[in-house]
Amino acid sequence: EPEVTQTPSHQVTQMGQEVILRCVPISNHLYFYWYRQILGQKVEFLVSFYNNEISEKSEIFDDQFSVERPDGSNFTLKIRSTKLEDSAMYFCASNLRQGGNQPQHFGDGTRLSIL
Amino acid sequence: AQTVTQSQPEMSVQEAETVTLSCTYDTSESDYYLFWYKQPPSRQMILVIRQEAYKQQNATENRFSVNFQKAAKSFSLKISDSQLGDAAMYFCAYRRSAGNTGKLIFGQGTTLQVKP
Repeated sequence: EPEVTQTPSHQVTQMGQEVILRCVPISNHLYFYWYRQILGQKVEFLVSFYNNEISEKSEIFDDQFSVERPDGSNFTLKIRSTKLEDSAMYFCASNLRQGGNQPQHFGDGTRLSIL
Repeated sequence: AQTVTQSQPEMSVQEAETVTLSCTYDTSESDYYLFWYKQPPSRQMILVIRQEAYKQQNATENRFSVNFQKAAKSFSLKISDSQLGDAAMYFCAYRRSAGNTGKLIFGQGTTLQVKP
């Protein structure tokens, strides 16, 4: 069964540095998402992306965050100047359709540790 | 805004027994979808079961079933004949129906321990 893949599995970065998290969604999927999960807390929506533009973003997704799909396969999340509170698991998800009962397919996540 | 609440941070069950995980949600909408996801220690979230709000019949997937009480805004997950492989964190999630980007709103999660 096709899977969403994320790299790296663990990223350690100094505070203030830029970080790029990478995701390869399922190939025929059209809708892409990033979520994050701070240790011990709930999974939170960050951003959704469709047709090469952001379709919705949460309050968490401020100017320090950006997403892009540079080559038709990768879907990246960039944090420009990382803060300690950015430490979390980041999950990428994709979906064939945005609505209906179609479930989102999740990757294994990237654990981001900010020092 | 929609919210999802899982009031049980941890649950445990004896192997082969039945356990029920609770989930409540708040919404003013009449049409939506509800999901239970399982997150094993390997971290990838996997869909367990889904329910359309317009369907009165409770969804069932093998040993997994839900008790969907729309008026009470309750969506509990029942796991029958629990197996060691069921040990994981379980998330309840809500998604609006029409006119949305498909984002999921998650509960806090319930960690399920299965005792041999």
